[in-house]
Amino acid sequence: AQSVTQLGSHVSVSEGALVLLRCNYSSSVPPYLFWYVQYPNQGLQLLLKYTSAATLVKGINGFEAEFKKSETSFHLTKPSAHMSDAAEYFCAVSGLRGFSNYKLTFGKGTLLTVNP
Amino acid sequence: GAVVSQHPSRVICKSGTSVKIECRSLDFQATTMFWYRQFPKQSLMLMATSNEGSKATYEQGVEKDKFLINHASLTLSTLTVTSAHPEDSSFYICSAPTGATYEQYFGPGTRLTVT
Repeated sequence: AQSVTQLGSHVSVSEGALVLLRCNYSSSVPPYLFWYVQYPNQGLQLLLKYTSAATLVKGINGFEAEFKKSETSFHLTKPSAHMSDAAEYFCAVSGLRGFSNYKLTFGKGTLLTVNP
Repeated sequence: GAVVSQHPSRVICKSGTSVKIECRSLDFQATTMFWYRQFPKQSLMLMATSNEGSKATYEQGVEKDKFLINHASLTLSTLTVTSAHPEDSSFYICSAPTGATYEQYFGPGTRLTVT
């Protein structure tokens, strides 16, 4: 069984400030972990993924995340927030191998607002 | 990256009618696709796994007779909401995995409103 917990349903930062969105996971097998971003009335766009290679993963738009097995965490960070980063962010886990089992379990999402 | 399209992007229908939503992988083949439902300000809920050439696998609590899924080809899956009711109004999103990178590509979503 897998689960994802995103701490904080709403995070507000000032433009230029550090962005930190928290994600903890539970998985009975080595996980694949993902961060997706969703803008209003749109689908999801992949920001970055962890697939058992480097634990520090760099993604698009200046985001990165670090996989910490001991803490079962995969927090998303960005050094300096832009207004365009305002969106909903979802952390997701996929723990099963095999093409037909790429089911994703999503966290509840974190709404990021960026203040000027 | 890979592209997944959905059609229509928005649909309004009357209660009791059926609505079909298409999900296409435009530049890759997808033997598996996933259908999600998203309520306002909530996360995505997996409804079913669409399998090319075989029956869809539904998640617990999802009515298979209400939400008909057909995976007609390696690039097309359809979700038909039968006898739609206002409570079926939602944002429906499909996704397709690409085996090489273990990631899923999502369609832009379909906003269904049942009046």
